[in-house]
Amino acid sequence: ETGVTQTPRHLVMGMTNKKSLKCEQHLGHNAMYWYKQSAKKPLELMFVYSLEERVENNSVPSRFSPECPNSSHLFLHLHTLQPEDSALYLCASSQDPGGVSYNEQFFGPGTRLTVL
Amino acid sequence: GIQVEQSPPDLILQEGANSTLRCNFSDSVNNLQWFHQNPWGQLINLFYIPSGTKQNGRLSATTVATERYSLLYISSSQTTDSGVYFCAVPDDYKLSFGAGTTVTVRA
Repeated sequence: ETGVTQTPRHLVMGMTNKKSLKCEQHLGHNAMYWYKQSAKKPLELMFVYSLEERVENNSVPSRFSPECPNSSHLFLHLHTLQPEDSALYLCASSQDPGGVSYNEQFFGPGTRLTVL
Repeated sequence: GIQVEQSPPDLILQEGANSTLRCNFSDSVNNLQWFHQNPWGQLINLFYIPSGTKQNGRLSATTVATERYSLLYISSSQTTDSGVYFCAVPDDYKLSFGAGTTVTVRA
């Protein structure tokens, strides 16, 4: 595997389900990100992790719970979601997090989530 | 946060035509990325360009950081160029994205 991978690619879940999205980067980067892309809206940042520590939580509802066990893996745990949470969820990585030393971000293929 | 505006919002091209996409941003930045999002949602990195001009095949990009804009040129367009083109600039820990330009290339 190369670059940034995400599984599953598609997910349909009910509002009472619990599911997890997985992201893995094979680039040796230190920072990982979750973005949400809703229909007709620009991408919006959800979470940033740098060396497994969360450095940004962009006012995301608690029904989204991130986990970063190491610098190569990032999870997004989902529970009691709402239909308006249906969107494309994109994972990205960069050498370092933003701020002073900005680096190019590389994105995975995304998970298309539908909440019924 | 930094505001990013892209124009035009939609572009329909005949195969073989050339086009220019524009990205304006509201504050000084130390870098800028251009992406192509394919119909399956994958964001493909096109350019990482703080200033000056870069070329990659039929695509090229120019960023004039002092005037807060960047241009993406598509030459001799092909149907595979269809999709949404985004520019994005660093804004604290994140990338701030424009709303995108949807390009449709007709055979």
